[in-house]
Amino acid sequence: SSELTQGPAVSVALGQTVRITCQGDSLRSYYASWYQQKPGQAPVLVIYGKNNRPSGIPDRFSGSSSGNTASLTITGAQAEDEADYYCNSRDSVGNHVLFGGGTKLTVL
Amino acid sequence: EVQLVESGGGLVQPGGSLRLSCEASGFTFSSYEMNWVRQAPGKGLEWVSYISSGSSIIYYADSVKGRFTISRDSAKNSLYLQMNSLRAEDTAVYYCARALPSYYYYMDVWGKGTTVTVSS
Repeated sequence: SSELTQGPAVSVALGQTVRITCQGDSLRSYYASWYQQKPGQAPVLVIYGKNNRPSGIPDRFSGSSSGNTASLTITGAQAEDEADYYCNSRDSVGNHVLFGGGTKLTVL
Repeated sequence: EVQLVESGGGLVQPGGSLRLSCEASGFTFSSYEMNWVRQAPGKGLEWVSYISSGSSIIYYADSVKGRFTISRDSAKNSLYLQMNSLRAEDTAVYYCARALPSYYYYMDVWGKGTTVTVSS
């Protein structure tokens, strides 16, 4: 079945811009969503669809997609953005839900 | 306040069974599709199962198909996961998550999770 691939870790200086990417064949057909997870907490949806933010998510979070790659961009990263980020979508062949392996974001 | 609260986790021996529950409040539970997602210690998120609002459509991850059963009771605003033939690799925090309308794979509300440990 399909899978989503993320880099294991990325770092960004406070106030700078960082992009987290997710690759997979299913992303050619379906947009990804992105989740933020801090230690000991449940995931929080931050971006879904083409580039939609749930209520309460700061506008420094944005999403984009090109070909088989989806990206989450944080413009002006804050200390509180340090977390694990997961992409998710659905399998383009079957009906399974897919999650990427997660990317650990460190804010320096 | 929109809320999901899981319960039913615990320590179980390999081959044993456990039933997880997820109680919903603050929204019309019967109108929403739901998912179970798990996270093994120190690992990433893994989707487990999906159920449509009317229970007519159900999907399972290959890793649990034939062993786990998802169900729901709208009268009780509750989602369930019956887990049989449990294995050590089923050890994880189990989250229930609400799906966005028309996009069952996007999950906008999550519970805090319940921990399942499979060990002898």
